[in-house]
Amino acid sequence: DTGVSQDPRHKITKRGQNVTFRCDPISEHNRLYWYRQTLGQGPEFLTYFQNEAQLEKSRLLSDRFSAERPKGSFSTLEIQRTEQGDSAMYLCASTQGGRFDEQYFGPGTRLTVT
Amino acid sequence: QQQVKQSPQSLIVQKGGISIINCAYENTAFDYFPWYQQFPGKGPALLIAIRPDVSEKKEGRFTISFNKSAKQFSLHIMDSQPGDSATYFCAARCCGSRLTFGEGTQLTVNP
Repeated sequence: DTGVSQDPRHKITKRGQNVTFRCDPISEHNRLYWYRQTLGQGPEFLTYFQNEAQLEKSRLLSDRFSAERPKGSFSTLEIQRTEQGDSAMYLCASTQGGRFDEQYFGPGTRLTVT
Repeated sequence: QQQVKQSPQSLIVQKGGISIINCAYENTAFDYFPWYQQFPGKGPALLIAIRPDVSEKKEGRFTISFNKSAKQFSLHIMDSQPGDSATYFCAARCCGSRLTFGEGTQLTVNP
């Protein structure tokens, strides 16, 4: 499979717990993006990486959120001390980079905080 | 701040009809405008995209019309099919970076 993959697909956690999601981009795509999507809304940008460098973070990314892409390949998104408001679909996308190239999305991780 | 406004919120068309979804933007620095299709429980899938130096782009049954002076663009789905029933998102990108999405249109195509 050559698409963007995400793991896990679903995560149910109790408020206050930490969770970590993984994204594997399309091979050789050097840009990787994280978005969050709540029910009935469009995806909202969280952060993105150019290779291993985190180049931009949204104001949505509170200090409880941290993302890494240590070797410029897969990325992880960790949420500490989860809150019910964190319940959402977390989407990962990747691109080759360049001015007009396309972002391809993974299937997402559905997080439910109880 | 909502920078891409999408309408209508929902749309019902008959099989074989034309589906039209509209988007308007504010930021003149946007330089790339894709449309995504999303089925329940799935990630968005890129459908078609356009640059601002082109007024129209067609791929199969899908056409984007772009009006730079009005800062508007639209998706036309010709010969709509029940399998096209999904949520459609317009988006815009500035400076090779993040995508800003519209709020989505839930399309239902009746057989």
